[in-house]
Amino acid sequence: EPEVTQTPSHQVTQMGQEVILRCVPISNHLYFYWYRQILGQKVEFLVSFYNNEISEKSEIFDDQFSVERPDGSNFTLKIRSTKLEDSAMYFCASMGRSNQPQHFGDGTRLSIL
Amino acid sequence: AQRVTQPEKLLSVFKGAPVELKCNYSYSGSPELFWYVQYSRQRLQLLLRHISRESIKGFTADLNKGETSFHLKKPFAQEEDSAMYYCALSGITGGGNKLTFGTGTQLKVEL
Repeated sequence: EPEVTQTPSHQVTQMGQEVILRCVPISNHLYFYWYRQILGQKVEFLVSFYNNEISEKSEIFDDQFSVERPDGSNFTLKIRSTKLEDSAMYFCASMGRSNQPQHFGDGTRLSIL
Repeated sequence: AQRVTQPEKLLSVFKGAPVELKCNYSYSGSPELFWYVQYSRQRLQLLLRHISRESIKGFTADLNKGETSFHLKKPFAQEEDSAMYYCALSGITGGGNKLTFGTGTQLKVEL
């Protein structure tokens, strides 16, 4: 069964540094998402992406965050200048068509020191 | 605004006992409800969606619009059901179909 894959599984970064989290969605999917889960808290929506543009973003997704689908297969989340509170598990998800279930990757654990 | 409430952080039952994981939602439109499961150290996996009306691994969930609930039930718990269960809601907003998750319930099935 096709899967969403995320790399790296764990990223440790100094505060203030830029970080890029990578995702390869399922190949024929059209909708892409990033969520995050701070330790002990619930999974929170960050951003959705469709037709090469952001379709919705949460208030968490401020100017420090950006997403890109550079080559038709990868879907990346960039945090420009990381803060301690960015430490979380980041999940990528993709969906084939509107109103189908979203499929999640294993997540990237981001630790900011 | 979309909101999902799972009142229990931890539910502990004995093997063979019935299970009910509670989920209530708040949404002004017509929502789609899901249950996702996360086994230890694994990814979030879709367990059920309300429009499918199917039973997966013995679990069922019925959408009750009057009570705005989507409780997950299983008549006889198995040890392998131990996992984290998340209720989630999707509303069509600008084509994004974002999911709003509850805080999750850790189900522990004891022998």
